[in-house]
This record gives sequence, structure tokens and C-alpha cells, in this order.
Amino acid sequence: GAVVSQHPSWVICKSGTSVKIECRSLDFQATTMFWYRQFPKQSLMLMATSNEGSKATYEQGVEKDKFLINHASLTLSTLTVTSAHPEDSSFYICSADPWEGMNTEAFFGQGTRLTVV
Amino acid sequence: AQKVTQAQTEISVVEKEDVTLDCVYETRDTTYYLFWYKQPPSGELVFLIRRNSFDEQNEISGRYSWNFQKSTSSFNFTITASQVVDSAVYFCALTFGAAGNKLTFGGGTRVLVKP
Repeated sequence: GAVVSQHPSWVICKSGTSVKIECRSLDFQATTMFWYRQFPKQSLMLMATSNEGSKATYEQGVEKDKFLINHASLTLSTLTVTSAHPEDSSFYICSADPWEGMNTEAFFGQGTRLTVV
Repeated sequence: AQKVTQAQTEISVVEKEDVTLDCVYETRDTTYYLFWYKQPPSGELVFLIRRNSFDEQNEISGRYSWNFQKSTSSFNFTITASQVVDSAVYFCALTFGAAGNKLTFGGGTRVLVKP
């Protein structure tokens, strides 16, 4: 099956610093990737839709200047949390849609647990 | 707008008991897809099933079974003869035809299976 690799799996950073999270589709090309956030004991909420070669589409309430998304190739999307603060501590997980656009299961990365201290 | 409701936040059972997780959805689209995922404590999402809106057949996979009823907008999930390894959070999710896998998740149901 299709594999999506997310890196790092966990990160601890100091308040005010920036953190980059990578989401790679390893064996397929993904024109679209999705970024979700999950606070402790809560559900997954879509943050943004990342399209290769174009600007990301952010969900209402998500600050696009704080959560920078770059989808520079068909196999890589990155999420950068800029000037991170403790309230940004969360589980971030990406998913990727195959180039063919077929509706299949959503292929998720392993997730990144971010802790801001 | 789409919405997925999982009314049960937590279910506790003793091993070998059956457990049914409810999922009710709302959508205006005629073509949509429903999913169930398992999230163990490690955090990754484990795909369990994807069902399109035109396929109302119930499905069984080992100890897992799903009951899809469009008339009540429900897509319930049953674990038969539960095991301790089934302890996890289970999410029901929905997407519509043109959205790819842009998922709307329910709130999740935490299942605790006691030995």
C-alpha cells in the first residue's frame, strides 16, 4: 500500500522558535496533502489543504502566517509552525491523496507530537 | 456543511464482550465516503474501512463489522469478542465526492477493554 512518511515523529522546542514538519509520499505522487491538528483527548481537525505548486487553503480560524505550508513537489509538503508557543503544543498529522485522484483510503503519516516549552 | 457525531465518548467493556460504536453523519452531498480509523496510544491512524454512499451492504472483516444505513445516516461499527488490543480511540470520518480525502472527523470514541 501507499506509504506516507512524516518527520519528525516528535519534537520539543522553546517558545518563540519555529519548527518544520515534513510529510512525504514515498511511493506515489500526491497533488494534494492535508494537515490536521489534534489536541489532547480531542478529535482531528483539518488545518489546511496543501496543493502542489499553489498556495495552501486554510480552514477558518487557522492563522496562515503562523502555520506556513509549502508543497513544492509532488511528494513533499512541509508545515512550519512559526514563533511557536505552548498553546501550539499538539499532535500534527498529514495525509496525502494520490495523483490519480482516485478515491481510496486516506494515507496518513505517523504524526508529529509537538511540545513547546 | 458536513458533520459527524459520535455520541459515545468512552466505552468500557470486559474482554470477549461485543462493543458497538455509533456514528451519525450529516451531509448534503449524494456522493460521499465514510471511514473508520483506529488510533492506538502511539497516535498513528489505522485505516479500518472506507464505504461509499452507494454501497449499503454491511461488511464483516474478522471480528469487525459495519452497519451502514442511509435512512438514518448512520455507519455503526461493532467489535465482536473484544480483546485488550482493541483498546484505542476510534474515529468515524466523512468526505464528499469532489473533496478527495479531506476528512471531517467525529469526536472519537475511546474503547477500553479490560482483561
